[in-house]
Amino acid sequence: QVQLQESGPGLVKPSQTLSLTCTVSNGSISTGDYHWTWIRQLPGKGLEWLGYIYYSGVTYYNPSLRSRLTISGDRSENQLSLKLNSVTAADSAVYYCARARPRGVLGQWGQGTVVTVSS
Amino acid sequence: DIQMTQSPSSLSASVGDRVTITCQASQDITNYLNWYQQKPGKAPKLLIYDASHLETGVPSRFSGTRSRSGTNFTFTVSTLQPEDIATYFCQQYGNLPLTFGGGTKVEIK
Repeated sequence: QVQLQESGPGLVKPSQTLSLTCTVSNGSISTGDYHWTWIRQLPGKGLEWLGYIYYSGVTYYNPSLRSRLTISGDRSENQLSLKLNSVTAADSAVYYCARARPRGVLGQWGQGTVVTVSS
Repeated sequence: DIQMTQSPSSLSASVGDRVTITCQASQDITNYLNWYQQKPGKAPKLLIYDASHLETGVPSRFSGTRSRSGTNFTFTVSTLQPEDIATYFCQQYGNLPLTFGGGTKVEIK
């Protein structure tokens, strides 16, 4: 059973870059027909899809965040990363990584990591 | 973006009741619709995929249907159990970006 685990700083200052890592175990990010996905949940609110990276390395982003967001994969470490620059308080959320099959069925999720943007 | 309108936003029901949640897409998504359960402090869990397919290991009291229009979807818990207390979300993947419904919080009466 594939497992995903998010990690990163819980506190980021406004205007800085948020960097998160998702470590994948019991499965490879470079094989299989999967989209490796980042999603966030704003406090007390719903879920927002941020983007994903296909096993081939091709990326897709939510247009609302495309100018600030980079998703990449490290095959040697079997990790995903998310970088969101110029953050504001509105980016405070629980950030999840997930594995999607084939394009949008989010079958496995990490436990999530809380990120607060504050000075 | 495809808007997903989910209703109701909350409901209260008794153990053993039949519970129904609906989700309407702003355009035809054929059957590219999934349902998730989220308990407090936990990640969402996939219950139903492609509108009506039960994810492996999910109890059969959960089910999903699609109307002929490809825009209206229904999620049902046939016999509500205490462990079903959670928030439920629909999610479409007919078009990018993937979008979610606003959620339905289910409580025990």
